[in-house]
Amino acid sequence: KNEVEQSPQNLTAQEGEFITINCSYSVGISALHWLQQHPGGGIVSLFMLSSGKKKHGRLIATINIQEKHSSLHITASHPRDSAVYICAVRSNYGQNFVFGPGTRLSVLP
Amino acid sequence: DAGVIQSPRHEVTEMGQEVTLRCKPISGHDYLFWYRQTMMRGLELLIYFNNNVPIDDSGMPEDRFSAKMPNASFSTLKIQPSEPRDSAVYFCASNIRGAQGEQFFGPGTRLTVL
Repeated sequence: KNEVEQSPQNLTAQEGEFITINCSYSVGISALHWLQQHPGGGIVSLFMLSSGKKKHGRLIATINIQEKHSSLHITASHPRDSAVYICAVRSNYGQNFVFGPGTRLSVLP
Repeated sequence: DAGVIQSPRHEVTEMGQEVTLRCKPISGHDYLFWYRQTMMRGLELLIYFNNNVPIDDSGMPEDRFSAKMPNASFSTLKIQPSEPRDSAVYFCASNIRGAQGEQFFGPGTRLTVL
C-alpha cells in the first residue's frame, strides 16, 4: 500500500463546478502539502497544513489528522485551474516529503 | 527574491556522458532537496541537505548519481555515466525549518538521455 494515495486520479469538470480532490495517508505526519503543477511543468505550493482548514481565494484545504485524510476544494472552478494537484506528506521523523501520484484536473469552458 | 534557480532548463545528452545539474536555493533557506519526476513514478526524493550537509540520500538510485552542496547558495546533482532511463525532470526545492516547512520549487531541468 502506497503511503500517500489520491482520488480521483483524473477529473473533468465544467466551468463553475465545485471540485473536491482527496488525499489519504498511512503514516504519522507533521505536515501535509498541497501542490499545483501546471502543464508547463512548474510546481507551486498551494497550502501547508498540520491541522484544521485553510482558505486562499477559491481554494480551501482541510485536514483530519485522526482519519489521516485531507481534501482540497475548488469553488467556482475555471479552465485556468486545469493542472495536476499533488498531495505530499512530511513524516514525524524528518524534513523530507512523500508525494501522492497526483490528480489531473481538466476544467472545460 | 528570485526564487529557486535551476540550470540548465533543458539538457539533451548521449548515453554515457556526464551530466551536471545546478541549483541555487532561496537565500536564507537551510534545507535543499533534489527530486526526480517521471511519468511512471511521479515525484521522488533523491537527496536532501541541511546546512550543506547531506541528511538522507536513500533515494539516490545508483552510484552513478552524486550530489554536493559546497556552500549555502549552490548545489549540484551529477550523473555519470548517464543512461536513457535517467531521462526525467529534476526539481530542486528549498525551505526553512520552523516556518511550517513550506517548500519552494525551482522550475526544473528536463533531462533527455539518448
